[in-house]
Amino acid sequence: AQSVTQLDSQVPVFEEAPVELRCNYSSSVSVYLFWYVQYPNQGLQLLLKYLSGSTLVKGINGFEAEFNKSQTSFHLRKPSVHISDTAEYFCAVSETIQGAQKLVFGQGTRLTINP
Amino acid sequence: DTAVSQTPKYLVTQMGNDKSIKCEQNLGHDTMYWYKQDSKKFLKIMFSYNNKELIINETVPNRFSPKSPDKAHLNLHINSLELGDSAVYFCASSQGTGPHNEQFFGPGTRLTVL
Repeated sequence: AQSVTQLDSQVPVFEEAPVELRCNYSSSVSVYLFWYVQYPNQGLQLLLKYLSGSTLVKGINGFEAEFNKSQTSFHLRKPSVHISDTAEYFCAVSETIQGAQKLVFGQGTRLTINP
Repeated sequence: DTAVSQTPKYLVTQMGNDKSIKCEQNLGHDTMYWYKQDSKKFLKIMFSYNNKELIINETVPNRFSPKSPDKAHLNLHINSLELGDSAVYFCASSQGTGPHNEQFFGPGTRLTVL
């Protein structure tokens, strides 16, 4: 079974500073990776996903992530954060179980933006 | 238009009661899911349905019984509620069952068992 580790449970950052949220996954032949964001008291929303091809994936709200197969990582980055980026961020790996998609989530990283 | 909706948003009840949470999606998706998010924000899949048929049951106690009357609805009924059932429950849907699919999540139902 696949697993995902998000190395930081909380990341405080000042507004307009860059940020990196770290994610490592267990190795597999094929890997499909996702980053979801959960704003306070809301459901999850897809930021970006890696399926194949270019290792640099661009998502919504200025976020991007780099797939690194040798380091089994899929870190999320943003060059300049805003107060509105305050949220919980989840990395997930997708696997097929009994012909169905199963998302396995990391523990989440709480990103707090300070003015 | 709301893509995935859940009712109720909040549910407070006593131990031992039976309760239901409803989920509807208007995206025309074939596959729907229930997730449980615990107090530490950890998200875990509970069930997955495709075309009204159960395809994933992640060793959830049989007090939890999902029901899919049609492809647009997946309801969750919980019998004999326990303190440990307190959590936020999310419904989600996707176009298909392949590992590449984006899942669309509802706003969540916060269940508190007293």
